[in-house]
Amino acid sequence: AQSVSQHNHHVILSEAASLELGCNYSYGGTVNLFWYVQYPGQHLQLLLKYFSGDPLVKGIKGFEAEFIKSKFSFNLRKPSVQWSDTAEYFCATSTAGNTGKLIFGQGTTLQVKP
Amino acid sequence: GAGVSQSPSNKVTEKGKDVELRCDPISGHTALYWYRQSLGQGLEFLIYFQGNSAPDKSGLPSDRFSAERTGGSVSTLTIQRTQQEDSAVYLCASSLRQQQYFGPGTRLTVT
Repeated sequence: AQSVSQHNHHVILSEAASLELGCNYSYGGTVNLFWYVQYPGQHLQLLLKYFSGDPLVKGIKGFEAEFIKSKFSFNLRKPSVQWSDTAEYFCATSTAGNTGKLIFGQGTTLQVKP
Repeated sequence: GAGVSQSPSNKVTEKGKDVELRCDPISGHTALYWYRQSLGQGLEFLIYFQGNSAPDKSGLPSDRFSAERTGGSVSTLTIQRTQQEDSAVYLCASSLRQQQYFGPGTRLTVT
């Protein structure tokens, strides 16, 4: 069955530090890939998405992710985090051409210290 | 424009009671999804509606769970004979072209 793994469950960084959150998926076919963010008290919002084309995807708020097909990975990066990036981050996949239902990773809680 | 709305925002119910959760999708979005977010299970897909097609119910955890979508718009998720393990945040999302927009969720607590 299709699955998504996020290896970092809780990350604590100081402001201006660089961020990389790992995401691996298990499906061998064509996938769509997403990163969602949930700020405290707010609902899930899309950070970025990959369907096809350039494997380096840029999203909102300075985030980017790189799709590496050979490693089944879609890691999220940001060169310099801010206190306002404190949130929970979810990686998700859907298989191309299907209903579009999302399979989520377990989430990573990011705490940025001012 | 208006996003996905859900009601109620919070629901506390006694074990064994039935509950109904409502979702109003973004106008014009043809697809509607229900997910559940709980501490032990993370975010799980429950059910998907697309236009007039038969819904994909593959994520519903038991036959106590059902959902309908009336007129291709509003959806109701019904949980019968609630159990404590049903306590979770129930999220609704709608989409037009593969990008899903999530509502704020309904926090269900079964006592």
